[in-house]
Amino acid sequence: EIVLTQSPGTLSLSPGERATLSCRASQSVPNTYLAWYQQVPGQPPRLLIHGASSRATGIPDRFSGSGSGTDFTLTISRLEPEDFAVYYCQQSGSSPYTFGQGTKLEIK
Amino acid sequence: EVQLLDSGGDLVQPGGSLRLSCAASGFTFGSYAMSWVRQAPGKGLEWVSGISGSGGTTYYADSVKDRFTISRDNSKNTLYLQMNSLRADDSAVYYCARKPRPFDYWGPGTLVTVSS
Repeated sequence: EIVLTQSPGTLSLSPGERATLSCRASQSVPNTYLAWYQQVPGQPPRLLIHGASSRATGIPDRFSGSGSGTDFTLTISRLEPEDFAVYYCQQSGSSPYTFGQGTKLEIK
Repeated sequence: EVQLLDSGGDLVQPGGSLRLSCAASGFTFGSYAMSWVRQAPGKGLEWVSGISGSGGTTYYADSVKDRFTISRDNSKNTLYLQMNSLRADDSAVYYCARKPRPFDYWGPGTLVTVSS
């Protein structure tokens, strides 16, 4: 099973700042199969990034993904109030399709 | 517009059974693999099971293997999850999701509580 470890667990920032979230895999993950999701409390997750760096339909360009192999990053260039949520990385390169434990992005 | 509507969640006693459903619309259902993902209260996301578009291939997390069965009826555009021998640690919101690569659309979720 591929274990995904996200850091930090909680990130405290202010609107307008830049956020950098990390996801490290215990084994190499093909870029095609690495995704990022955003979850607001009480809502289902929303797909942000697929293929490690491709934005999903309707996702603003302040969200970007990068990385390869075992190290991946989600960057939010300028935080908007609606961006404060929990973010998960997920791999579908091999079953079981695992998620990271999440990074909570909170308002400082 | 793609829509997924999951239902069937309830309070059930340990050892009991429950069947979840997910009604799909807005896309050619039989052309897409589907999955179930769950989230225990205050916890992260856990993939539970997946099924190919035809229904011929199924996948399970070790935590539910031999207890849960995923299936689909492409004539009714509906995905199912039959859950048997339920345990307290199966308590969660269960989401149906389209595809596993990636999970591009999600249902609103249905709450399963396993408790005596």
